[in-house]
Amino acid sequence: ILNVEQSPQSLHVQEGDSTIFTCSFPSSNFYALHWYRWETAKSPEALFVMTLNGDEKKKGRISATLNTKEGYSYLYIKGSQPEDSATYLCALSGGSYIPTFGRGTSLIVHP
Amino acid sequence: DAGVIQSPRHEVTEMGQEVTLRCKPISGHDYLFWYRQTMMRGLELLIYFNNNVPIDDSGMPEDRFSAKMPNASFSTLKIQPSEPRDSAVYFCASSRTAPGANVLTFGAGSRLTVL
Repeated sequence: ILNVEQSPQSLHVQEGDSTIFTCSFPSSNFYALHWYRWETAKSPEALFVMTLNGDEKKKGRISATLNTKEGYSYLYIKGSQPEDSATYLCALSGGSYIPTFGRGTSLIVHP
Repeated sequence: DAGVIQSPRHEVTEMGQEVTLRCKPISGHDYLFWYRQTMMRGLELLIYFNNNVPIDDSGMPEDRFSAKMPNASFSTLKIQPSEPRDSAVYFCASSRTAPGANVLTFGAGSRLTVL
């Protein structure tokens, strides 16, 4: 079982603040790292998939980086907006290729 | 494509009753996953199929749970008999070959309440 840790567990910020979430995972047996966004009462939707050490992905105000050697990934949101409020999940695929999900970081952006 | 389709969206049943959850994956996706989301455990993998064949069911909590995929476009998750602790949201997801690099597309989930 792959141990995927996410921090913080929850985060409350004001509109306009920038945020950073961390996903930690065992650096051995790595294949891919996924980030998903999960809005309340909806299903998780993929944001990024990263496979190479040093990968950086960006979608609008959201970006992610990957360090496979030390076993972590960061998700950044620049200038948070209330519509960014959601749970952000990371998932690790190891040798079996099947994603194991972390518990997520719950973000609430206050207007 | 309509995405991954799950039914029912909500189910309320009494303890001891049989529950059947259904999933239609995206056409062309050859992996299908069943996940359960609870407050205690987060999103946990129950079972997954590749080309309709169950590959790993080690996440299925006990013998009361069973899953089938009779063809590429349909899967069921059955709980018999159901218990209150089975109350959760059950998600189905599908992906194309090499799920490690390809993303999962989730259905809207089936919220189960067992009284």
